[in-house]
Amino acid sequence: EIVMTQSPATLSVSPGERATLSCRASQSVSSNLAWYQQKPGQAPRLLIYDASTRAPGIPARFSGSGSGTEFTLTISSLQSEDFAVYYCQQYNDWPPITFGQGTRLEIK
Amino acid sequence: EVQLVESGGGLVQPGGSLRLSCSVSGFIFNSYGMNWVRQAPGKGLEWVSFISFSGRSMYYADSVKGRFTISRDNAKNSLYLQMHSLRAEDTAVYYCTRDPDGYNFDWGQGTLVTVSS
Repeated sequence: EIVMTQSPATLSVSPGERATLSCRASQSVSSNLAWYQQKPGQAPRLLIYDASTRAPGIPARFSGSGSGTEFTLTISSLQSEDFAVYYCQQYNDWPPITFGQGTRLEIK
Repeated sequence: EVQLVESGGGLVQPGGSLRLSCSVSGFIFNSYGMNWVRQAPGKGLEWVSFISFSGRSMYYADSVKGRFTISRDNAKNSLYLQMHSLRAEDTAVYYCTRDPDGYNFDWGQGTLVTVSS
């Protein structure tokens, strides 16, 4: 089973600043990596798939990069609605599909 | 508009059974694989099960293998999860998701399953 590790667990950033979230896989997942955003009381929402492709309707301030075992989600200029929990998920070697434990992005 | 609507959650005693349903609209259901993903209270996301577009292939997390069964009825645009021998650790919100290629493109709002005496 591929283990996904996200860092940091909590990230404090001011509105308007850049946020950089990391996700590491225990073995290569190629570019088969997705990112999700989850706000309190809501279902997760797909942001990025194939490591760098934005899902329909996702603002351009969200970008994904990386391949192999190291991945990054960057939010270029944080808006108030971006403060949420973010999860990465690999789908290169499954079952099982595996998620990271999440990064909570909070207002500084 | 794509919609996935889960139902069937509730309170059940340990060892009991429950059947979740997911009614789908807004896309060609029989063209997509589907997942169940769950989230225990205050915890992260856990994949539970996958079924292929045809229903011929099913996969399960080790934590539910032998207790849960995923199925689908393409004529009814519906996905199901039959859960037996429920444990306290199965308590979670269960989401159904559309899976175009291994990731979860669309999500339902979830249904809460509580296993408690």
